[in-house]
Amino acid sequence: AQKVTQAQTEISVVEKEDVTLDCVYETRDTTYYLFWYKQPPSGELVFLIRRNSFDEQNEISGRYSWNFQKSTSSFNFTITASQVVDSAVYFCALSDLGGATNKLIFGTGTLLAVQP
Amino acid sequence: DARVTQTPRDKVTEMGQEVTMRCQPILGHNTVFWYRQTMMQGLELLAYFRNRAPLDDSGMPKDRFSAEMPDATLATLKIQPSEPRDSAVYFCASGFGQGQETQYFGPGTRLLVL
Repeated sequence: AQKVTQAQTEISVVEKEDVTLDCVYETRDTTYYLFWYKQPPSGELVFLIRRNSFDEQNEISGRYSWNFQKSTSSFNFTITASQVVDSAVYFCALSDLGGATNKLIFGTGTLLAVQP
Repeated sequence: DARVTQTPRDKVTEMGQEVTMRCQPILGHNTVFWYRQTMMQGLELLAYFRNRAPLDDSGMPKDRFSAEMPDATLATLKIQPSEPRDSAVYFCASGFGQGQETQYFGPGTRLLVL
């Protein structure tokens, strides 16, 4: 069965520190997609990145970077030089190819608190 | 900046009342999803539409929940009758594609059933 594990429930850092959020997934599918979403205190879910299973290149977007390793079934997210505005819950998700449903299977989220 | 919109943003109601939540997907998107978020269960899919046709509502309590898309610009989620255990944040998301497309989420409707 498909599953996403975010073992870190809460992380607290001081501004300007780098922080890595871990995501480990399980799937039997050979083709799948992985996502990261951010949920700030205001509550909305903000899309950050989508990565397919055939593209293992790391991606960098400003202070954000993602490390996808199929060998360890991990899709980790690093924020460089964290800022208070980065404080949010971050969700990793896996697309489910079973049946006709494009269902996202979410992890339980990691609450990141960036202290000034 | 195209966004998914949801109304109402907050709803407080009493047990037994009907609740209707509305969602306007991003113009041009052909898939709509309804999710529910609770502390205990996290984010779970309730219903999924593609080209206005319901493809999956297996996550939805059939006896009291219903989801429809009267037209391409409106999706609705109804609860009748509502119960305290329905208290949650309900998110609508939309996307474009035939599968595994990115889902863009609305701001959510925070429902409290007393």
